[in-house]
Amino acid sequence: AQTVTQSQPEMSVQEAETVTLSCTYDTSESDYYLFWYKQPPSRQMILVIRQEAYKQQNATENRFSVNFQKAAKSFSLKISDSQLGDAAMYFCAYKKDSKLTFGKGITLSVRP
Amino acid sequence: DTEVTQTPKHLVMGMTNKKSLKCEQHMGHRAMYWYKQKAKKPPELMFVYSYEKLSINESVPSRFSPECPNSSLLNLHLHALQPEDSALYLCASSQPNDRALRTEAFFGQGTRLTVV
Repeated sequence: AQTVTQSQPEMSVQEAETVTLSCTYDTSESDYYLFWYKQPPSRQMILVIRQEAYKQQNATENRFSVNFQKAAKSFSLKISDSQLGDAAMYFCAYKKDSKLTFGKGITLSVRP
Repeated sequence: DTEVTQTPKHLVMGMTNKKSLKCEQHMGHRAMYWYKQKAKKPPELMFVYSYEKLSINESVPSRFSPECPNSSLLNLHLHALQPEDSALYLCASSQPNDRALRTEAFFGQGTRLTVV
């Protein structure tokens, strides 16, 4: 079975600084998708960034980028120029076909 | 339209009540999901429908009964719930396989359920 591990329960970052959220996963599959979702207190689960396992190039979306290390089964999220609106719970997720598995999540706070 | 709509947003029900949660999407997705989420915890998968057929049931108690009337709608029927079933119930949809161009899941805002 696939597992997703987020070992840091909480992190804090100063506004305008950079922060990296860690995620590892375990799978025997070669093709799959990885995602970072953001869930603010409003509770809407919002997709931040996606990475296809077959792509070597790391995905980027504006201030968000990932460091995808397939052999190490590592998928970290870097948030640059952190903003107050980035404060939320962040979940790393693994998807193979119609099965989406989440890590435990990390609560990110942003200090003004 | 990348929206998944869930109704109601809030629901309070007694342990003897019967209620239903509804979910709708018009993105042409053929996989739809129900998740249960407790505060500060990740969503826990309950059910997956793929092409309107139940493909995954994560050993959910029978007091939760899913239904997929068509490719756009997903219901969750609730009966004789317990207080520990109080949680946020999230609906999501996606393409059912990884050969699609966009495979990410889109989530609704959830129904906050309180069982009294």
